[in-house]
Amino acid sequence: GAVVSQHPSRVICKSGTSVKIECRSLDFQATTMFWYRQFPKQSLMLMATSNEGSKATYEQGVEKDKFLINHASLTLSTLTVTSAHPEDSSFYICSASPGGGHGRKYGYTFGSGTRLTVV
Amino acid sequence: QKEVEQDPGPLSVPEGAIVSLNCTYSNSAFQYFMWYRQYSRKGPELLMYTYSSGNKEDGRFTAQVDKSSKYISLFIRDSQPSDSATYLCAMSLSMDSNYQLIWGAGTKLIIKP
Repeated sequence: GAVVSQHPSRVICKSGTSVKIECRSLDFQATTMFWYRQFPKQSLMLMATSNEGSKATYEQGVEKDKFLINHASLTLSTLTVTSAHPEDSSFYICSASPGGGHGRKYGYTFGSGTRLTVV
Repeated sequence: QKEVEQDPGPLSVPEGAIVSLNCTYSNSAFQYFMWYRQYSRKGPELLMYTYSSGNKEDGRFTAQVDKSSKYISLFIRDSQPSDSATYLCAMSLSMDSNYQLIWGAGTKLIIKP
């Protein structure tokens, strides 16, 4: 299959601190990973596209200095929420696809998500 | 107009009923069509995946794509309470790993015992 692992599943942090979320592809190499944010009862909102070895591409309206993305290897992308504030509280989800024939078979796989609460 | 339109519901049906979920889209270039199921506080799970037009069946689930009408459907037969979840449609121009998915809003489905 195509498995994506995301950690932590839940984190509570104090306002002003930074939080790192990890997304790993376990059985395939992912040159590209996607980071989404989801508000309650709403669909997924693409935040940024993470590219291995290069800078991430951020969607309009997403602050790249607040949401730092690092894709240092073909199996790991991290999202760091810097100087978190209560309005950053949300459900963050990563996604990746093996691409090619494997991708066409399994499509895009999602991590289990990280619920961030900033107090 | 959004690229992908999906009624957010909620859609409430009795157990055993046939459920029909739908999405319409505007970009005729979309080739890959997916249905994801998302339980509360979990990541989306790929349910059905179809390339181009046609039908695909997997157990109680059938996905249909009508590219001429730019309309996709997911049918659930013999619905069960465990099917209660949010169902999101998604589509893409390509399944190469750097292509992003375009999402519907998601339909919340409630199956009443």
